[in-house]
Amino acid sequence: QVQLQESGPGLVKPSGTLSLTCAVSGGSISSSNWWSWVRQPPGKGLEWIGEIYHSGSTNYNPSLKSRVTISVDKSKNQFSLKLSSVTAADTAVYYCARESVVVAATGAFDIWGQGTMVTVSS
Amino acid sequence: DIQMTQSPSSLSASVGDRVTITCRASQGISNSLAWYQQKPGKAPKLLLYAASRLESGVPSRFSGSGSGTDYTLTISSLQPEDFATYYCQQYYSTPPTFGGGTKVEIK
Repeated sequence: QVQLQESGPGLVKPSGTLSLTCAVSGGSISSSNWWSWVRQPPGKGLEWIGEIYHSGSTNYNPSLKSRVTISVDKSKNQFSLKLSSVTAADTAVYYCARESVVVAATGAFDIWGQGTMVTVSS
Repeated sequence: DIQMTQSPSSLSASVGDRVTITCRASQGISNSLAWYQQKPGKAPKLLLYAASRLESGVPSRFSGSGSGTDYTLTISSLQPEDFATYYCQQYYSTPPTFGGGTKVEIK
């Protein structure tokens, strides 16, 4: 059973860079899945940040593209998120998620990490 | 981006009630729609995909329907563990986008 676990600092200073890692266990990051980051500001809805394939191919949300970098480390079976020039508006719970490979479900997120709260504050 | 509009934003219902939540896309999404359930402090859980296909392990009281731009999630008989917030998500085009959520509360 594949499980995802986010890790990283819970507090980031304004104008700094948010860095998170998602460890994949119970399966290989080199499977046929795409791997995503999704965030949720307190009391608000869900926003997709971007995705990566084990080859290193990426897609980003245009609203964040200039500030986002997602990378993969196959040797550690994990992928990472960097979000630069953060402001208070980037305060959110950040989730990593796996995209399904089931026919007709490609693009739906079938496995999620528990989420990690990141606060942007000085 | 495709905008997803859910209604209502919240509702109150009793155990045993039939509950319906709607989701409207700003353009046709060819049934590329998923529904999620989220409980406080927890990650979303996939319930349905392709508008009407039940994810493995999800109770059959959950069902989905729709086509084009309009989709519906129905809970046939609300159970105590179903009180949560529900989100729709389109995966027809990048970026995938979510509805604003529907909070189902106890009446």
